[in-house]
Amino acid sequence: KAGVTQTPRYLIKTRGQQVTLSCSPISGHRSVSWYQQTPGQGLQFLFEYFSETQRNKGNFPGRFSGRQFSNSRSEMNVSTLELGDSALYLCASSHTPGGPGRWAFFGQGTRLTVV
Amino acid sequence: DAKTTQPNSMESNEEEPVHLPCNHSTISGTDYIHWYRQLPSQGPEYVIHGLTSNVNNRMASLAIAEDRKSSTLILHRATLRDAAVYYCILGSGANNLFFGTGTRLTVIP
Repeated sequence: KAGVTQTPRYLIKTRGQQVTLSCSPISGHRSVSWYQQTPGQGLQFLFEYFSETQRNKGNFPGRFSGRQFSNSRSEMNVSTLELGDSALYLCASSHTPGGPGRWAFFGQGTRLTVV
Repeated sequence: DAKTTQPNSMESNEEEPVHLPCNHSTISGTDYIHWYRQLPSQGPEYVIHGLTSNVNNRMASLAIAEDRKSSTLILHRATLRDAAVYYCILGSGANNLFFGTGTRLTVIP
């Protein structure tokens, strides 16, 4: 079964622009989460979607947003890009948000560079 | 969110057992203990998780203290492929994980 697919793998954007990243979860998984990884801050939780609804949100400004479609695919958007947004953005999927026997599968990530 | 404390780094010789500790003194009754690892240039990978009892799977074992304030991830025979950053995470959900800084494991051939 195919894993979590993130596109694009690499992206270079200019300060002030906006960017949209895409994530296709494992077939049958309905929970999708996004994480940001930087050398300084480590891995930080952005938000989690389940059945097209945002369930949880990390401590990020409103420039970071996301959505989930009826087929469970998810996109995250960052507007008015800043140099500090340069990071590896990781998507993770799981069957459901919680409960015993549930864990998340991560994609390879999208490397965003803001210049 | 409940916090975890892990050593920054550990070393192990290849083919020897490795015990990776994690302290979580503020764990709540509904928090599961999750372990993930991240190999270089890859996304995190699930290793194991548990609530109260010790757990075993094909990758590792998880030993949970009786008071649940600490746990230990056990790799029975370290291989070079096990060199990674290991994260101990608390949470009731499977997919809203708050990662700490983790333990960087170096495996010496």
